[in-house]
Amino acid sequence: EVQLVESGGGLVQPGGSLRLSCEVSGFRLSGDSMHWARQAPGKGLVWLSRINEDGSQTTYADSVKDRFTISRDNANNMLYLQMNSLRAADTALYYCVRDRRFAFDLWGRGTLVTVSS
Amino acid sequence: QSALTQPPSASGSPGQSVTISCTGTSSDVGAYNNVAWYQQHPGKAPKLIISEIAKRPSGVPDRFSGSKSGNTASLTVSGLQPEDEAEYYCSSYAGRDTWVFGGGTTLTIL
Repeated sequence: EVQLVESGGGLVQPGGSLRLSCEVSGFRLSGDSMHWARQAPGKGLVWLSRINEDGSQTTYADSVKDRFTISRDNANNMLYLQMNSLRAADTALYYCVRDRRFAFDLWGRGTLVTVSS
Repeated sequence: QSALTQPPSASGSPGQSVTISCTGTSSDVGAYNNVAWYQQHPGKAPKLIISEIAKRPSGVPDRFSGSKSGNTASLTVSGLQPEDEAEYYCSSYAGRDTWVFGGGTTLTIL
């Protein structure tokens, strides 16, 4: 089955760090650019970051630049998001997303990150 | 990286048609043919329903159609059905390997 499964979310204090993981199955990760997006409770979708097929190029939304780092391990079909200096505003459901021709055609179910003291 | 502008809500009766707009700028929607639309039901992940302005992925009913004029893209849902009640989001490629979403539109079936 073609799917994305996120993990690694949880409760973290402001200023803390978390590493999200996304396990890919049913297709070869090495063939696709991948993204992370998030959705705060009751709010809309926000694009966060993109990594190209071989991991050599990454881009970020201004809101997370210099705090978040996207990476991938194609050999093990894994995508990651390292999140540092977390703030209350980072509280959201984080989605791993596949890019096909500049559209997000496959989404995981998300992993919830809560930043609170 | 400002969000694309969508109306907060839209509504229609079963069988009617409704159009949702998505307004950006000449740097995103107006610059590229990479506008997509997503449907999200409560508690579910978003689902791609339109890509590249007007292309429907396999399995998406032809009641869903997309278009673009200048800096504004539109999603039209024809022959509204109860299951179409959901949140709808647009997205656009914004250059330099960045993307932007719209704020979302809640579609209510009356």
